Amino acid sequence: DAMVIQNPRYQVTQFGKPVTLSCSQTLNHNVMYWYQQKSSQAPKLLFHYYDKDFNNEADTPDNFQSRRPNTSFCFLDIRSPGLGDTAMYLCATSREDYSNQPQHFGDGTRLSIL
Amino acid sequence: GDSVTQMEGPVTLSEEAFLTINCTYTATGYPSLFWYVQYPGEGLQLLLKATKADDKGSNKGFEATYRKETTSFHLEKGSVQVSDSAVYFCALSDSTSGTYKYIFGTGTRLKVLA
Repeated sequence: DAMVIQNPRYQVTQFGKPVTLSCSQTLNHNVMYWYQQKSSQAPKLLFHYYDKDFNNEADTPDNFQSRRPNTSFCFLDIRSPGLGDTAMYLCATSREDYSNQPQHFGDGTRLSIL
Repeated sequence: GDSVTQMEGPVTLSEEAFLTINCTYTATGYPSLFWYVQYPGEGLQLLLKATKADDKGSNKGFEATYRKETTSFHLEKGSVQVSDSAVYFCALSDSTSGTYKYIFGTGTRLKVLA
């Protein structure tokens, strides 16, 4: 089945140690999103790619970065994670950048910063 | 700016009870509306959508009607099951600054008791 796959499902890392989360998709969608979801909250958009065009949200911290080497893969890099970055990170895709296209989510990576 | 307001949870129901989760929105344009469901430890799954006024989205016994006059998109199910226990998010997608992003409600946790 076509889907959005995130790896790893769980990641524990130390304060200040860089970490990379990955997302792959077999849907051939041209838009990919990264969200941060803290406990009992709605997902918060960090940034998204429309093809190779990167769009950062104004309030996304500078130590959050992303790479999209090709259509299928997208990475979230956290350069110096702090305790407040403990959260679920969700990757999503959509077919085109139109309002009526649903986003398809992966199962997320639960990141814990110790 | 655009916003989505959902009823606060948790909502606790007995099996086979009728479910309503209220969702209202404000938008400057003509949004598409979505309901997503999130089971524990998983990503968001699209439950249903509606892209224009008076559209009714339906899936797995859930329904919601896009009401432009009341700016609402309430989720309903006639008979809930224990397996429906999850968090439900209402979301809108509208063009802001030339790109389409989701605005999520805060989520409503549903607990169904056997």
